[in-house]
Amino acid sequence: AQRVTQPEKLLSVFKGAPVELKCNYSYSGSPELFWYVQYSRQRLQLLLRHISRESIKGFTADLNKGETSFHLKKPFAQEEDSAMYYCALSGRGGGSNYKLTFGKGTLLTVNP
Amino acid sequence: EAGVTQFPSHSVIEKGQTVTLRCDPISGHDNLYWYRRVMGKEIKFLLHFVKESKQDESGMPNNRFLAERTGGTYSTLKVQPAELEDSGVYFCASSREAGLAGEGEQFFGPGTRLTVL
Repeated sequence: AQRVTQPEKLLSVFKGAPVELKCNYSYSGSPELFWYVQYSRQRLQLLLRHISRESIKGFTADLNKGETSFHLKKPFAQEEDSAMYYCALSGRGGGSNYKLTFGKGTLLTVNP
Repeated sequence: EAGVTQFPSHSVIEKGQTVTLRCDPISGHDNLYWYRRVMGKEIKFLLHFVKESKQDESGMPNNRFLAERTGGTYSTLKVQPAELEDSGVYFCASSREAGLAGEGEQFFGPGTRLTVL
């Protein structure tokens, strides 16, 4: 069974501090990993995906297949980063593999 | 480009009543997904349409839930009869038909908050 685990329900940091949101997964095969973000009163939106290897809004995430992790990191947190962050995975190859499996989410609060 | 829209934004009904949720995907997106988040739980997949066909409905909780996508455009999700445990936020997402090189990004709607009393 595929599963995504986000161990921290809440994470609070001060502005300018580094932040790391943890995500571990289990999947029999080669998944695609994503981070979605939901800002207050906004819809869920894609932040980044592992295959694009981009840095979005200063965030990066590296897929570690050995540890089955996809932690989200930012060296200097900003107040506008405060939001709910969801780690998600999907399969590859079409068919029923495109559905997303989500973690429970981590609420990040960046304090001034 | 208009995003995914959902109607209504909120619905409050009594146990045993029927509710129909609607999702309008981004124009040209063949793939349409329904998800829901029950309070305290993670967002869970319900089903996936490719055009008007149900590609995967493995997440539908029971036969009180019926999803349709006639004509391959908008989709409806009907709950009949509604039960207390159906309360939650129902999300719709759409994506273009994915190619081999990378799966299509799923764009989410704002969700419909359903409360069953």
